[in-house]
Amino acid sequence: DTAVSQTPKYLVTQMGNDKSIKCEQNLGHDTMYWYKQDSKKFLKIMFSYNNKELIINETVPNRFSPKSPDKAHLNLHINSLELGDSAVYFCASSQDSPLAGYNEQFFGPGTRLTVL
Amino acid sequence: SQKIEQNSEALNIQEGKTATLTCNYTNYSPAYLQWYRQDPGRGPVFLLLIRENEKEKRKERLKVTFDTTLKQSLFHITASQPADSATYLCALMDSNYQLIWGAGTKLIIKP
Repeated sequence: DTAVSQTPKYLVTQMGNDKSIKCEQNLGHDTMYWYKQDSKKFLKIMFSYNNKELIINETVPNRFSPKSPDKAHLNLHINSLELGDSAVYFCASSQDSPLAGYNEQFFGPGTRLTVL
Repeated sequence: SQKIEQNSEALNIQEGKTATLTCNYTNYSPAYLQWYRQDPGRGPVFLLLIRENEKEKRKERLKVTFDTTLKQSLFHITASQPADSATYLCALMDSNYQLIWGAGTKLIIKP
């Protein structure tokens, strides 16, 4: 069984379009995350939700809007896509909130977004 | 400024030898540090965590050390195998309770 799944795996789109990436975890975890991995392979946190509440909101353009309908799902919607948004986006989950301390994170397979 | 650095050059090791990867950080006082493995086209997979009051942690052929004076963690794989070839990432928890990640070191084990 897949622990953290993301769809789609690949997303190719034109500048200016709006797109969404979906994430689901079946681990029963309370916290979910969105990361962006750029071409230099750095992983950067974008958002984190704990029990559907936003707890980490890094400085990302407000074109990016996360939505957590329940604690097993965290979707990422991106408006007016730009060339610089091209990257691999990873969803992850952890048992507890990072505010609680140690937290092993479980990652999805990633979504490779290419903006043309 | 705060930085976390891993050797950006690939590390080539002969099968059977010990591979040692380095993670250095500046201007952080992390409560713990984690190591992950990432294969091409996949998400990172957790390997080990070491706390600031621990000097060493082991798991099978893996060993992690943590020197808060040197601000350095070393990750060792003993009796390395070609299947160990991957990119290894270190991550530390910053004061805002976020994981800050290094860019990773690509490890290549040659048969």
